[in-house]
Amino acid sequence: AQKVTQAQTEISVVEKEDVTLDCVYETRDTTYYLFWYKQPPSGELVFLIRRNSFDEQNEISGRYSWNFQKSTSSFNFTITASQVVDSAVYFCALSGAPSGTYKYIFGTGTRLKVLA
Amino acid sequence: EAGVTQFPSHSVIEKGQTVTLRCDPISGHDNLYWYRRVMGKEIKFLLHFVKESKQDESGMPNNRFLAERTGGTYSTLKVQPAELEDSGVYFCASSQRTRDYSTDTQYFGPGTRLTVL
Repeated sequence: AQKVTQAQTEISVVEKEDVTLDCVYETRDTTYYLFWYKQPPSGELVFLIRRNSFDEQNEISGRYSWNFQKSTSSFNFTITASQVVDSAVYFCALSGAPSGTYKYIFGTGTRLKVLA
Repeated sequence: EAGVTQFPSHSVIEKGQTVTLRCDPISGHDNLYWYRRVMGKEIKFLLHFVKESKQDESGMPNNRFLAERTGGTYSTLKVQPAELEDSGVYFCASSQRTRDYSTDTQYFGPGTRLTVL
């Protein structure tokens, strides 16, 4: 069975601190995709990144970076020099390819509060 | 380009009533998904349309839920009769249908918050 675990329910940091959001996944698929979404107070889920299981390269986009490690089944998300606008709920998700339907399996989300 | 839109944004109904949620996907997206987040838990898959056909409805909780996508454009999700445990946020997502499924990224709408009293 597929599963995504986001053990951190809520994290509070002071502006300019670095913060890492953890994501651990379980799947038996050899081909799968991992995602991070941001849910700001307005409610919509904003796509941040997609990673496929064959690409273990870390990714950096501005202040955001992602560390994908198949050996530990983790796909962690780091925000460098956090800002108040980063305050949101962040969801990690997993999608398996072979089944023909690409439903996402989500974690429970991590609420990030960045304090000024 | 307009994103995924959902209507209404909020709905408050009494137990036993009927509610219909609507989702308009991104233009040209053949895939349409419904998800639900209940009581701060994880967002759970409900069903997947490819155009007007139901590809996977394994997440639909029971027969009080009916989803349609006539014409392969917008979709509706009807709950009849609503129960207290149906309260939550219902998200719709859409994605392009491509031969290379690695490009299948789902884009989500803002959700409909349903409260059943």
